[in-house]
Amino acid sequence: NAGVMQNPRHLVRRRGQEARLRCSPMKGHSHVYWYRQLPEEGLKFMVYLQKENIIDESGMPKERFSAEFPKEGPSILRIQQVVRGDSAAYFCASSRPAGTYNEQFFGPGTRLTVL
Amino acid sequence: GENVEQHPSTLSVQEGDSAVIKCTYSDSASNYFPWYKQELGKRPQLIIDIRSNVGEKKDQRIAVTLNKTAKHFSLHITETQPEDSAVYFCAASIRGGSYIPTFGRGTSLIVHP
Repeated sequence: NAGVMQNPRHLVRRRGQEARLRCSPMKGHSHVYWYRQLPEEGLKFMVYLQKENIIDESGMPKERFSAEFPKEGPSILRIQQVVRGDSAAYFCASSRPAGTYNEQFFGPGTRLTVL
Repeated sequence: GENVEQHPSTLSVQEGDSAVIKCTYSDSASNYFPWYKQELGKRPQLIIDIRSNVGEKKDQRIAVTLNKTAKHFSLHITETQPEDSAVYFCAASIRGGSYIPTFGRGTSLIVHP
């Protein structure tokens, strides 16, 4: 059973470009969470999704950031017109459906560098 | 919303000593408290968790305690080893539903050989 997969592992973008980060949850997991981690800081929640639904996006900036989790395929976090402050590690995590304890399993992260 | 405070931010110990990391939370409805270990450049990994119906849980050299009245929980590592060096994060959440876990800022544990 493969764990949570993220790609790319490293992404370099110039200011103004778009960054697209992908996350495939563990088999049997239908909940996906995206977090941002700045150097020497904790995990900051961004968005929580189920298949075809955004459940909670309270941690995601209103502008330039969007997320989706289509019926087929991975979840995608999209950052438009990136700025240097977007440089960070972005982790996704997945968990089982509601009704169980929310144990989350993390992917290896995507390290975004904005030049 | 939930607020989780974690202390200390850095902890330096000698190999073989014990290490204790403490967290407090604000939402009395929280009932699930996982701990994650993150080695440099790697993903956070769940190492132990505790649920509000128990006060203590142990797994080999790692133990967690929970005081619901005081709203704090702690991670205890005994007989520390250099490979325990990592950043440890506590979190608090509510069982089931869509409640989002709130993470502490992390503790950087350094175990000197």
